[in-house]
Amino acid sequence: GQNIDQPTEMTATEGAIVQINCTYQTSGFNGLFWYQQHAGEAPTFLSYNVLDGLEEKGRFSSFLSRSKGYSYLLLKELQMKDSASYLCAVVNAGNNRKLIWGLGTSLAVNP
Amino acid sequence: GAVVSQHPSRVICKSGTSVKIECRSLDFQATTMFWYRQFPKKSLMLMATSNEGSKATYEQGVEKDKFLINHASLTLSTLTVTSAHPEDSSFYICSASPSSGRPLNEQFFGPGTRLTVL
Repeated sequence: GQNIDQPTEMTATEGAIVQINCTYQTSGFNGLFWYQQHAGEAPTFLSYNVLDGLEEKGRFSSFLSRSKGYSYLLLKELQMKDSASYLCAVVNAGNNRKLIWGLGTSLAVNP
Repeated sequence: GAVVSQHPSRVICKSGTSVKIECRSLDFQATTMFWYRQFPKKSLMLMATSNEGSKATYEQGVEKDKFLINHASLTLSTLTVTSAHPEDSSFYICSASPSSGRPLNEQFFGPGTRLTVL
């Protein structure tokens, strides 16, 4: 079956670093996305990993280990505006362009 | 670039009426568009995959006769909620996947449509 696990909720302090983990078990793998979604808004693209390793983009970094079925999103220098839901999505094998979505991690950044 | 618009952003209708939601890719062509619904504090639920020029592929449990999807061009897909009922009230979000030039399967999301059925 297809399964993606993320923690439901996390809390962190402004200025700190937080790591959001995502583990997946899918019948195929063709890349992993991280999206950010603020309440009442549509998701926005954060990162894409298809090869093992760390992708850094400003305050946000994403890591992938295909052998472990594991990814994490690292947020540095947290700001209040980073309070949002973070969604992990896996590209299944094949070319139907469909993503398999995790349930999302709700991050609360406190002063 | 890669902007997706959705219209209307908010709609309130009476039970039994039909509502059409438009999803447009403004600066790219999208062979494939996706329709999701999302309940408060829940993750995205894929309803159907819309392919230009062909019938949509619906996910299990989604009624194709109730949620009509038309993808008539490479920049426009529409979702019509027919005979809407209060339980259809939700946040409907579309996304578009560029035909070329981007990571395979990257999806760009529209701003969503908040449907309230009275």
